[in-house]
Amino acid sequence: EDQVTQSPEALRLQEGESSSLNCSYTVSGLRGLFWYRQDPGKGPEFLFTLYSAGEEKEKERLKATLTKKESFLHITAPKPEDSATYLCAVQASESGAGSYQLTFGKGTKLSVIP
Amino acid sequence: DAGITQSPRHKVTETGTPVTLRCHQTENHRYMYWYRQDPGHGLRLIHYSYGVKDTDKGEVSDGYSVSRSKTEDFLLTLESATSSQTSVYFCAIRVHKTANSYEQYFGPGTRLTVT
Repeated sequence: EDQVTQSPEALRLQEGESSSLNCSYTVSGLRGLFWYRQDPGKGPEFLFTLYSAGEEKEKERLKATLTKKESFLHITAPKPEDSATYLCAVQASESGAGSYQLTFGKGTKLSVIP
Repeated sequence: DAGITQSPRHKVTETGTPVTLRCHQTENHRYMYWYRQDPGHGLRLIHYSYGVKDTDKGEVSDGYSVSRSKTEDFLLTLESATSSQTSVYFCAIRVHKTANSYEQYFGPGTRLTVT
């Protein structure tokens, strides 16, 4: 069974204090790993897809990296507007070409304090 | 904004009544998905569709049915709503960026309360 574990569950940072969120996964062959941002009362907003170990992607203050067992979302010099819940999801190779099903973690709630 | 709308956005209904949620997309993408999101759980897949009249079950499909008669619309029906189906429901579409890469975009969600 595919599993995705995100840590920590919640993280409080001072504005400008860089940190990382972790997403560890167990899948029978990784087809893709996805990061989303979710604000309260809204749908998840797509951030990145990573496909192979060693791959990195960046967007503004966010950088996602991928190894064979986990992914990190690095947040550099965060601002209060980066406060949100960050979700990680994986698509396993065995989920079938006809579904592209994603298995989600429970998320990390990030609070950035001015 | 991936051109996804959901209706209604909020609904309160009584146990035992049927409920239909609608997801509409404007870009004719083939794959559409219904998820539910509950505290303490990640997003969980209910059903998905890979074309008109082509649907399949996800992880938590019991008590739900779906239909897709047009590319742009994907309906989720709770035949007889129960309190355990109180949740936030999200629709999603899959968008291929290249032959080997894709992204999945979500709608704004429907908050359903079953009393």
